[in-house]
Amino acid sequence: EPEVTQTPSHQVTQMGQEVILRCVPISNHLYFYWYRQILGQKVEFLVSFYNNEISEKSEIFDDQFSVERPDGSNFTLKIRSTKLEDSAMYFCASREDRGPTSDGYTFGSGTRLTVV
Amino acid sequence: SQKIEQNSEALNIQEGKTATLTCNYTNYSPAYLQWYRQDPGRGPVFLLLIRENEKEKRKERLKVTFDTTLKQSLFHITASQPADSATYLCALISNAGKSTFGDGTTLTVKP
Repeated sequence: EPEVTQTPSHQVTQMGQEVILRCVPISNHLYFYWYRQILGQKVEFLVSFYNNEISEKSEIFDDQFSVERPDGSNFTLKIRSTKLEDSAMYFCASREDRGPTSDGYTFGSGTRLTVV
Repeated sequence: SQKIEQNSEALNIQEGKTATLTCNYTNYSPAYLQWYRQDPGRGPVFLLLIRENEKEKRKERLKVTFDTTLKQSLFHITASQPADSATYLCALISNAGKSTFGDGTTLTVKP
């Protein structure tokens, strides 16, 4: 079964450093998403991406965050200057373009980001 | 502000019984609602989607209802099994595609 692949599975970084989290969505999917989940808390929407641009973003997704689809397969989330409170599990998700209510999203296994 | 509440953090039931999980929301008019299963350390896994104009959806042992007047969705697992033990999340999706997740309900099915 097709899956969303995220790398690395775990990243430790120093506060203030830049990190790039990588995702390979399912090949025929056109909508892409990033979510985060702080340990023990709910899944929080960060950003949605379609047709090479951001379609929706949350208040969490401030100027420190950016997303990019640098080629036909990868979808990345960059955090410019990490803070301790950025420590969380980050999930990438994608869905097919069969209309806005056709399907659920396929999530990756996540990248656990630890900022020290 | 928008608020989503899922019933009690933990639900314990006996194998073979029906589990019923609740998702209530306020100050929100979702285009549709999704239910996911999440196991520890893993990403959510999509189970069912129900649109605002649908009352009920079924898939194997799963059933979802959606009452936009009550602003509530119920998620049922019939003939529950220990393997159904997990955290179940509801998510509301707006027309713009922004999703809001509930805190989740942890279900434990005892043999």
